[in-house]
Amino acid sequence: DGGITQSPKYLFRKEGQNVTLSCEQNLNHDAMYWYRQDPGQGLRLIYYSQIVNDFQKGDIAEGYSVSREKKESFPLTVTSAQKNPTAFYLCASSIDRAYEQYFGPGTRLTVT
Amino acid sequence: EDQVTQSPEALRLQEGESSSLNCSYTVSGLRGLFWYRQDPGKGPEFLFTLYSAGEEKEKERLKATLTKKESFLHITAPKPEDSATYLCAVRGVWDGQNFVFGPGTRLSVLP
Repeated sequence: DGGITQSPKYLFRKEGQNVTLSCEQNLNHDAMYWYRQDPGQGLRLIYYSQIVNDFQKGDIAEGYSVSREKKESFPLTVTSAQKNPTAFYLCASSIDRAYEQYFGPGTRLTVT
Repeated sequence: EDQVTQSPEALRLQEGESSSLNCSYTVSGLRGLFWYRQDPGKGPEFLFTLYSAGEEKEKERLKATLTKKESFLHITAPKPEDSATYLCAVRGVWDGQNFVFGPGTRLSVLP
């Protein structure tokens, strides 16, 4: 089955620790994205990548980092510099940045 | 700046009671308007893309329509399994633009 996988589903970390969220897709999509979802707000774009070895900051990139070494994979690192890291994180992919995006199941990160 | 608003924030319907959700948008040239369904604790599921005013798309009990300023998601004779949050997003025509998502409408269909 083609799709997007994110792991883990739930993640707990202590304040001050970096944490990496996994995102893998087998849809052969060129573009991949990371969003953050908070209650009562729309999805906010953290980073996106159009091709391997290239990525761009979204609206709320501060405190986050990404890499795109393979077409299938786009991991997100939440660093200790992110002031409010507790949120639901969603990874998505699309054939091209102008077309519909398909989402993974999400990772809920809790930092205490 | 591109913007998307959705109304109502929450909607409760009885099973079989048809209604519509609204998505109003401001974008400098519309490339596409997208509807998603999101169940609690899960990722959004793609429903429709609309490209130009007057376009309509249907899927089971859902029908999406588009004008130059807004889109409606009509739900006909809803069932409890239609309960979810419905998200709307727009993407402008310019290459540097990203998707802009609305906050969603939380729909509850009571049996």
